[in-house]
Amino acid sequence: EPEVTQTPSHQVTQMGQEVILRCVPISNHLYFYWYRQILGQKVEFLVSFYNNEISEKSEIFDDQFSVERPDGSNFTLKIRSTKLEDSAMYFCASSDGDSRTDTQYFGPGTRLTVL
Amino acid sequence: AQSVTQLDSHVSVSEGTPVLLRCNYSSSYSPSLFWYVQHPNKGLQLLLKYTSAATLVKGINGFEAEFKKSETSFHLTKPSAHMSDAAEYFCVVTRYNQGGKLIFGQGTELSVKP
Repeated sequence: EPEVTQTPSHQVTQMGQEVILRCVPISNHLYFYWYRQILGQKVEFLVSFYNNEISEKSEIFDDQFSVERPDGSNFTLKIRSTKLEDSAMYFCASSDGDSRTDTQYFGPGTRLTVL
Repeated sequence: AQSVTQLDSHVSVSEGTPVLLRCNYSSSYSPSLFWYVQHPNKGLQLLLKYTSAATLVKGINGFEAEFKKSETSFHLTKPSAHMSDAAEYFCVVTRYNQGGKLIFGQGTELSVKP
């Protein structure tokens, strides 16, 4: 069964450094998402992406964040200058449609630790 | 705005006994509702979804959930727990008539005792 994959599984970085989290969505999906979960808190929506453009972003997704689909298979989340409060589990998801009935398929997550 | 509340942060059951994980949603309209499960070091896996068809929804691994509009609930049940059911469960809602962004509950950790 096709699945979403994410690398790395765990990333440790120093405050102020740039990190890139990578995701490989399911191959025929066209809609891509990033969510995050700070320890002890709810999973929160960050951004959705379609046709090489951001469709929607949350208040969390400020100028420090960017997303890109650099080739036909990868979908990346970049944090330019990490802060302590960026420490979280980051989930990538993909779907083949964006209606409320379409299922989003999630990857296993990348745990980001900012020191 | 839509929201979802999972009433228990942790539920513990014995193997072979029923499972009940509670979820209430807040919405002016009937949204789509999902239950996802996360096993350690695995992605969020869809258990089942309600999208305004039958109110009793059957999912994978013997789980089911009933959409009750009058109670604004979407509780997850299973008649007989198995050790492999131990995981984190998330109740999730969409915005009315709009896809994209999912809104998550805070999660319920299910423990299954032998």
